[in-house]
Amino acid sequence: AQKITQTQPGMFVQEKEAVTLDCTYDTSDPSYGLFWYKQPSSGEMIFLIYQGSYDQQNATEGRYSLNFQKARKSANLVISASQLGDSAMYFCAMRESQGGKLIFGQGTELSVKP
Amino acid sequence: EPEVTQTPSHQVTQMGQEVILRCVPISNHLYFYWYRQILGQKVEFLVSFYNNEISEKSEIFDDQFSVERPDGSNFTLKIRSTKLEDSAMYFCASSARQVSNQPQHFGDGTRLSIL
Repeated sequence: AQKITQTQPGMFVQEKEAVTLDCTYDTSDPSYGLFWYKQPSSGEMIFLIYQGSYDQQNATEGRYSLNFQKARKSANLVISASQLGDSAMYFCAMRESQGGKLIFGQGTELSVKP
Repeated sequence: EPEVTQTPSHQVTQMGQEVILRCVPISNHLYFYWYRQILGQKVEFLVSFYNNEISEKSEIFDDQFSVERPDGSNFTLKIRSTKLEDSAMYFCASSARQVSNQPQHFGDGTRLSIL
């Protein structure tokens, strides 16, 4: 069965430093997509970055990059040069080729310190 | 940039009452979803909808729940007889295609409080 695991309930990072948020997944489908969403305290879900299972290169989107290690089934989000506005919950999610739904992890609450 | 809009942003309802949550998906999207997030917990899938039919539903989506696309723009979630445990944030999402590389775009959510 498909599953997403985020083992870090909370993380702290100093402003301007980089931080890595962990995500591991489990699926038997060879074709899948991995997504990261940001949820600020206001509650909305903001799509950040996507990585496809067949992509050869790690995805990047501005200050966000995805450290995709397929053999380890991990898709960690790296945020470079953290800003105070990065403080939020971050959810890792997976979508399989045959299904439309997203399966979410438990989330990691990131706090950026000035 | 087009976005998914949800109304109301907050709904307070007495237990046992019916509630309808409304969503306007992105206009050229064909696949629609509802998710639920109980306070402090992860986001859970409820139902997906395509071509005026439910394509998949979770165990949470029991007979108390229904979805409808009454016109060309709105997508609604109805909870027939609300329970205290229905209190949660409800998110509507849409995507252009139902393939693994398509992100789903979420609305800002409706916070449902059952008294």
